[in-house]
Amino acid sequence: GAGVSQSPRYKVAKRGQDVALRCDPISGHVSLFWYQQALGQGPEFLTYFQNEAQLDKSGLPSDRFFAERPEGSVSTLKIQRTQQEDSAVYLCASSLTGAFGYTFGSGTRLTVV
Amino acid sequence: AQSVTQLDSHVSVSEGTPVLLRCNYSSSYSPSLFWYVQHPNKGLQLLLKYTSAATLVKGINGFEAEFKKSETSFHLTKPSAHMSDAAEYFCVVREANFGNEKLTFGTGTRLTIIP
Repeated sequence: GAGVSQSPRYKVAKRGQDVALRCDPISGHVSLFWYQQALGQGPEFLTYFQNEAQLDKSGLPSDRFFAERPEGSVSTLKIQRTQQEDSAVYLCASSLTGAFGYTFGSGTRLTVV
Repeated sequence: AQSVTQLDSHVSVSEGTPVLLRCNYSSSYSPSLFWYVQHPNKGLQLLLKYTSAATLVKGINGFEAEFKKSETSFHLTKPSAHMSDAAEYFCVVREANFGNEKLTFGTGTRLTIIP
């Protein structure tokens, strides 16, 4: 597609519920990234894929967070047993190579109540 | 390790006057530097990027930034502010060491344009 598509746009989860956030990157983009943006803050790195390989997951805050990209295109970020501190906007970005810059999606706003 | 500091959390300018948003970076390797803009409820949009070519980088919508290695700065400027420039701006750094694709964002500068 023309841009990075994320769904759902908004998600409200009860504390303890599992959620799955989807990212459709730009077709042909090798690299895919997930970032977490808390209210009033800059985005923070969560994890990075090159094709289907997860090369860096150092930013995932706990083992409740899990990301996958099984076929090297669409990616899913899963959060198990959600907690209030997980409330944030989750941004997905893709790139052909870093030298060309990164294209971000509009994000999924997760609210845990 | 890479990091970036945006020196002002809020900047207000009058329409038609110059804009200056300040950014300092820290990097163990030659960095790539970016400025992104985020309008309310919109995604991040790339304004411009520096990747070791010309130190004065021109971007979209009349913005430009100058990479100054001696000052470890990458300030964003625009000669004349427009109402549509009101948004949140993020300075971003990526170290050019092999295999590193991680972007580190500053905390953002909220730009307000006074009519």
